[in-house]
Amino acid sequence: DGGITQSPKYLFRKEGQNVTLSCEQNLNHDAMYWYRQDPGQGLRLIYYSQIVNDFQKGDIAEGYSVSREKKESFPLTVTSAQKNPTAFYLCASSIGGRDEKLFFGSGTQLSVL
Amino acid sequence: DQQVKQNSPSLSVQEGRISILNCDYTNSMFDYFLWYKKYPAEGPTFLISISSIKDKNEDGRFTVFLNKSAKHLSLHIVPSQPGDSAVYFCAAKADSWGKFQFGAGTQVVVTP
Repeated sequence: DGGITQSPKYLFRKEGQNVTLSCEQNLNHDAMYWYRQDPGQGLRLIYYSQIVNDFQKGDIAEGYSVSREKKESFPLTVTSAQKNPTAFYLCASSIGGRDEKLFFGSGTQLSVL
Repeated sequence: DQQVKQNSPSLSVQEGRISILNCDYTNSMFDYFLWYKKYPAEGPTFLISISSIKDKNEDGRFTVFLNKSAKHLSLHIVPSQPGDSAVYFCAAKADSWGKFQFGAGTQVVVTP
């Protein structure tokens, strides 16, 4: 089955710790995205990548880092510089082009201990 | 500055009746619009989309209407079913950007 796999489903971060959220897709999509969802708010774009070895900051990139070494993988690191990391994180991919649509993973809930 | 706005955070509708969800946008460069449905602790799933060259798109029980002059779109669900209870997000994209902007979502509750 083609799709996007996010892991883990739940993650806890200690003070001062960096944590990495995994996102893998087998849809052969060029573009991948990371969004953050907070209660009562829409999805806010953290980072996106339209091609391997290239990525751009989204609207709320501070305190986060990404890499895109393989087409299938787009891991997100939440660094200790992110002071309010508790949120639901969603990875998405798209084929690109004019009338593209985003395909989402099932999300990772990150909480601070 | 939020460029896509869903001003109704919640909507309650009886089973079998019509659900109407609204979305407003401020950026005239947006030319492609989508609706997503989301259940708790899951990723959003695509429902329906519309390009700015159209004013209506229909797919089964779901119809999206676009009013470009008013910068407004709406999603109609007819008839509403219990499984439609979810959060619905409106999203917009300007072709030159490649980035999607999302609204805050509307929680729909379908009652028996």
